[in-house]
Amino acid sequence: GAVVSQHPSRVICKSGTSVKIECRSLDFQATTMFWYRQFPKQSLMLMATSNEGSKATYEQGVEKDKFLINHASLTLSTLTVTSAHPEDSSFYICSASPLAGGLYNEQFFGPGTRLTVL
Amino acid sequence: AQSVTQLDSHVSVSEGTPVLLRCNYSSSYSPSLFWYVQHPNKGLQLLLKYTSAATLVKGINGFEAEFKKSETSFHLTKPSAHMSDAAEYFCVVSEESGGSYIPTFGRGTSLIVHP
Repeated sequence: GAVVSQHPSRVICKSGTSVKIECRSLDFQATTMFWYRQFPKQSLMLMATSNEGSKATYEQGVEKDKFLINHASLTLSTLTVTSAHPEDSSFYICSASPLAGGLYNEQFFGPGTRLTVL
Repeated sequence: AQSVTQLDSHVSVSEGTPVLLRCNYSSSYSPSLFWYVQHPNKGLQLLLKYTSAATLVKGINGFEAEFKKSETSFHLTKPSAHMSDAAEYFCVVSEESGGSYIPTFGRGTSLIVHP
């Protein structure tokens, strides 16, 4: 099956620093990648939709200047949390949809990145 | 606008008994519907998806779901629960918006399986 990787799996950083999370589709090309945030015991909250070669579309309430998304190729999207604060600590998950696209296109999820900001 | 409601935050069953996880959706158009499972410390995995080809959809690990348009429901069932089924289950609805297909997640249902 299609595999999506995320790196790093865990990161601890100091308040005020920036952290970059990579999401890669390993064996397929993805026109669309999604970035989610998940708090403990809660559902996934969609942060933004990223299409290769264009600007990401952010959900309401998500600061685009704080959560920088780059989808430079059909297999790589990055999320950079800038000037991180403790309240940004969370589990960040990416997913990717294959190139064929379409309404019935499932998403393939990465294993997630646990961010802890001290 | 689309939305999805998972009616139960927790479902507790005994091993070997049937499982029912409920999901109702709201969508402006004909949506696509998915069930995903999240085991602790693992990525989300697709259980099954509704593609309009058949209203009864069979998925992995013995799960199935029935699309009922009149009831706007897509409940997930399994005849006999196994201990390994204990996990978080998410119902997802997706519809087209501005050229992309945007997913909306339900709040999740935690399935607890007792020996």
